[in-house]
Amino acid sequence: AQSVSQHNHHVILSEAASLELGCNYSYGGTVNLFWYVQYPGQHLQLLLKYFSGDPLVKGIKGFEAEFIKSKFSFNLRKPSVQWSDTAEYFCALNYGGATNKLIFGTGTLLAVQP
Amino acid sequence: DTAVSQTPKYLVTQMGNDKSIKCEQNLGHDTMYWYKQDSKKFLKIMFSYNNKELIINETVPNRFSPKSPDKAHLNLHINSLELGDSAVYFCASSQGQTWHFGDGTRLSIL
Repeated sequence: AQSVSQHNHHVILSEAASLELGCNYSYGGTVNLFWYVQYPGQHLQLLLKYFSGDPLVKGIKGFEAEFIKSKFSFNLRKPSVQWSDTAEYFCALNYGGATNKLIFGTGTLLAVQP
Repeated sequence: DTAVSQTPKYLVTQMGNDKSIKCEQNLGHDTMYWYKQDSKKFLKIMFSYNNKELIINETVPNRFSPKSPDKAHLNLHINSLELGDSAVYFCASSQGQTWHFGDGTRLSIL
């Protein structure tokens, strides 16, 4: 079955530190990959997505992610985090087909200390 | 304008009661979903409707019954609420590879 793994459940960083959140997926075919952010008490917001083409994808708020097909990975990065980046981050995949659904990872809680 | 709106935002009720959550989207999307986010923040799909037809039912107990009167609305009715139903329920809609999520309904069972 298709699945998404996020190995970092809780990450604590100081402001200006660099961020990398891991995401691995299991599916042998073509996938669409997403990173969503959920600020406390709010809904999910799309940070970035990858469908095809350049494996390095740039999103909003200075985030980027790199798709490495050979590693089944789609890690999220940001060179310098801010206190306002404190949130839950979800990696998700969609493989299309008749049941067009997003499959989410378990999420990573990022806490940025001022 | 809110793209995906769900009501109520908070729902506190007792075990055994029946409750409904409503969802509406004004994006003209064909597909709508219900997701459940548990206390560990894990998001799991429950149902999906495409143009009022059920296309995904992810082994959810029969106590949960979705209803889609038209493609802009997807409501969720829950019978005989149990403690384990406490969660945040998110409605979403999609068209192609674009998804929008509602603000969630926090359901607390006493």
